[in-house]
Amino acid sequence: DAGVIQSPRHEVTEMGQEVTLRCKPISGHDYLFWYRQTMMRGLELLIYFNNNVPIDDSGMPEDRFSAKMPNASFSTLKIQPSEPRDSAVYFCASSLALAAPGANVLTFGAGSRLTVL
Amino acid sequence: GIQVEQSPPDLILQEGANSTLRCNFSDSVNNLQWFHQNPWGQLINLFYIPSGTKQNGRLSATTVATERYSLLYISSSQTTDSGVYFCAVLPYSTGANNLFFGTGTRLTVIP
Repeated sequence: DAGVIQSPRHEVTEMGQEVTLRCKPISGHDYLFWYRQTMMRGLELLIYFNNNVPIDDSGMPEDRFSAKMPNASFSTLKIQPSEPRDSAVYFCASSLALAAPGANVLTFGAGSRLTVL
Repeated sequence: GIQVEQSPPDLILQEGANSTLRCNFSDSVNNLQWFHQNPWGQLINLFYIPSGTKQNGRLSATTVATERYSLLYISSSQTTDSGVYFCAVLPYSTGANNLFFGTGTRLTVIP
């Protein structure tokens, strides 16, 4: 398996523009997570899905952020309109059920580095 | 929610030295993982270790679930070990499926 695939790897945009980040999870993984990492706040969970259904979106900062998972192999995180404080690295990760017995690990993508000017 | 505390926050080692990183957590867990974030930002799973001891080359980890802590040992450190080490746990009590991350230990290995 190629692992968790994220695109773009780098995005530079201007304030007010729409940003769409994309993620392809590992085939067979039924959980998908979006994280944001900044120096100030560390690694934060934004939202996670189970079988394409959002389970917990309490970490989504505000209405400017939205996430979708139209099928088991694709998810998007959208920011509209973007602001400079959204600058961060956004990670997608996938897993099987972490609470189930067995070595179920969380696998991260390489991240998308977003800079909003 | 569960508290996950890692120590030390920063560690500087000479190449070849050994080190121990600690993770304390405030509630019972049924999943615990250690991750390494390399200087290029990539997050790699090192161990799945909700209890017991595991070894992988120069790295080993021990979790004492009853006392709510885990240790990551790095022996004969190399410059490639530099980066941030995160501990992440899944508490029994929530019924959720998301890991709670500590704030990490930043390790710098100097040649």
